[in-house]
Amino acid sequence: QQQVKQSPQSLIVQKGGISIINCAYENTAFDYFPWYQQFPGKGPALLIAIRPDVSEKKEGRFTISFNKSAKQFSLHIMDSQPGDSATYFCAASMGGATNKLIFGTGTLLAVQP
Amino acid sequence: DSGVTQTPKHLITATGQRVTLRCSPRSGDLSVYWYQQSLDQGLQFLIQYYNGEERAKGNILERFSAQQFPDLHSELNLSSLELGDSALYFCASSPRGTGGGYGYTFGSGTRLTVV
Repeated sequence: QQQVKQSPQSLIVQKGGISIINCAYENTAFDYFPWYQQFPGKGPALLIAIRPDVSEKKEGRFTISFNKSAKQFSLHIMDSQPGDSATYFCAASMGGATNKLIFGTGTLLAVQP
Repeated sequence: DSGVTQTPKHLITATGQRVTLRCSPRSGDLSVYWYQQSLDQGLQFLIQYYNGEERAKGNILERFSAQQFPDLHSELNLSSLELGDSALYFCASSPRGTGGGYGYTFGSGTRLTVV
């Protein structure tokens, strides 16, 4: 099953709070899980990515938590700022004959001042 | 500027018409990917080209076709347009053609409105 399910569809967080976005997948052949950030009028841009051999990856205020047994991964944004307001997409891909990414449906994050 | 150039930025056309969307990949990238973004379905993979050859096909309608030219730019042709084809169409490029989703750079998209 080549799907990635993402929740919630939208999220409102107060400045300084923690934003959490969750994704789940079925295909155990996926071996690369990036998160993309998209601002209005722009294309998605890579934010952070993880491979399933680690359970957590942190880059600044952004952390991916990965649960291989549950086939779930999540993005945590610590100390959320108004400038983080954007749409966030999780994605997954597998090695092999192509380089394509399968995306989740996106989460619209609004960080209120 | 991501280095991936998409033209036009906006396109308004009538049902039944045909349009062509253009994408110039980032310098040095050999793969081009086309995605359709609609409000309720997120980013849907349409098709991938690598160095002029089709590499993978996703949920692309028969009314849609694409190609990658020797200079590596790509065009997505949409014909017999329907209202439901209204969406943002993104192009992405990457250095590689295989091996797992690395190195994607997206353009800013073409917003297609079918009236």
